[in-house]
Amino acid sequence: AQSVTQPDIHITVSEGASLELRCNYSYGATPYLFWYVQSPGQGLQLLLKYFSGDTLVQGIKGFEAEFKRSQSSFNLRKPSVHWSDAAEYFCAVGGPFGNEKLTFGTGTRLTIIP
Amino acid sequence: ETGVTQSPTHLIKTRGQQVTLRCSSQSGHNTVSWYQQALGQGPQFIFQYYREEENGRGNFPPRFSGLQFPNYSSELNVNALELDDSALYLCASSFRPTAFSSYNEQFFGPGTRLTVL
Repeated sequence: AQSVTQPDIHITVSEGASLELRCNYSYGATPYLFWYVQSPGQGLQLLLKYFSGDTLVQGIKGFEAEFKRSQSSFNLRKPSVHWSDAAEYFCAVGGPFGNEKLTFGTGTRLTIIP
Repeated sequence: ETGVTQSPTHLIKTRGQQVTLRCSSQSGHNTVSWYQQALGQGPQFIFQYYREEENGRGNFPPRFSGLQFPNYSSELNVNALELDDSALYLCASSFRPTAFSSYNEQFFGPGTRLTVL
């Protein structure tokens, strides 16, 4: 069965500092991988996705993620965070055909301090 | 272009009651998925509808049921509500050209917050 682990429940970063959110997945084949962001009272917004090809993917809002098959990881990075990046971040893996169910991690809450 | 909308925004029910949540998919989309997000957790897949047929189900009991209408809007029904059903229910829509086409991005609605007392 597919699963996602986000080891960090809560991360606090100073505005302007770099950010890395960790994600490890378990899936028997080539996974479809996603990062979503959720602000309070909002639905989920897709930041970026990986299906195949280049293992470094660029997303919206200056985010990027790197797929490492050997480590079963798909970590999210941003070189310089802004106060508006404070939110909950979810990593997810999709099943065969990609449009089947998404399995989400438990999320990482990001707090930005001035 | 109208995004995914859900109604109601908030709902309070008592244990044992039944509830219906509604989702209007984004224009042009034919696939709807429902997720349950308990407090402090990630969303969990309930089921998916593709062209009015259930097309995949997660680990939820039969008292969770759904419908998709010809206009591709959808309902989630929960019978015999339990306290643990309290959660944010998210709907996501996408366009799938064929039953076995590769991934098409899902767009999420803002959710319905259900509280069971």
